[in-house]
Amino acid sequence: QQPVQSPQAVILREGEDAVINCSSSKALYSVHWYRQKHGEAPVFLMILLKGGEQKGHEKISASFNEKKQQSSLYLTASQLSYSGTYFCGTPVPGYNKLIFGAGTRLAVHP
Amino acid sequence: DVKVTQSSRYLVKRTGEKVFLECVQDMDHENMFWYRQDPGLGLRLIYFSYDVKMKEKGDIPEGYSVSREKKERFSLILESASTNQTSMYLCASSLGGRGVYEQYFGPGTRLTVT
Repeated sequence: QQPVQSPQAVILREGEDAVINCSSSKALYSVHWYRQKHGEAPVFLMILLKGGEQKGHEKISASFNEKKQQSSLYLTASQLSYSGTYFCGTPVPGYNKLIFGAGTRLAVHP
Repeated sequence: DVKVTQSSRYLVKRTGEKVFLECVQDMDHENMFWYRQDPGLGLRLIYFSYDVKMKEKGDIPEGYSVSREKKERFSLILESASTNQTSMYLCASSLGGRGVYEQYFGPGTRLTVT
C-alpha cells in the first residue's frame, strides 16, 4: 500500500521552514527519502532505520516514529536549491523494493 | 562516480509499435528497477530484477515485459504501445542481498505514444 504524503505542495520564501510527512497504514521498518529536482533524476537523501532516530542531510533532517507509522522530513532555513519533489519510500517486507508516496512538491522563492 | 544511463531522454512512438527502453548501470548492482512516473501518482514500480534472468512483477506490470540478460543491463519492453503508456520512465539500481538499499536513478525517458 502506497504511503501517504502531506502536504501535496508547499511554497516557501528563502529562509522559511517546512515539514513534510509520510504515513503508512502498515507497520514501518524503515523509511527512505528522495528528492527530485525539476528535470532531473530522484536522488537519495537518507534512510531512517530505527524508531525515533533523526538523520540529517545539509539542513534537512528527518524523524521516524514506528508507533505512529510515520516519518517527517524537516527543512530548516530553506534555500532555493531545496526546490523539487520529495518522495518517501517504504520497503515491502521480504522484497528488495520500495513503495513510494505520491510526492510533495516544494517551491522555494527568493 | 556511479552511473545509471538510459538509452533515450525523449521518445515518440505510434500506437501498436513495440518499444524497447534500455538501462545500463556501472556499479555492479544486483537489483535493477523500472518505474513509471505520472503527475500526482509518484513513482510506481513496473518490474524489478534481483539477478540476471530473474524478474519480479511490480505494482503495474500489465502491458510491459522486461529482460535482463547481463547484470549491468535491464530492458523494459512495451509489446504494443498504447496512448495510456505515455509517461516518464525511470530506471534505478541498488545493491542486493538482505535489506533495502539506496537506489540510484537514471535520467529518465519521456515516452509519448501517439
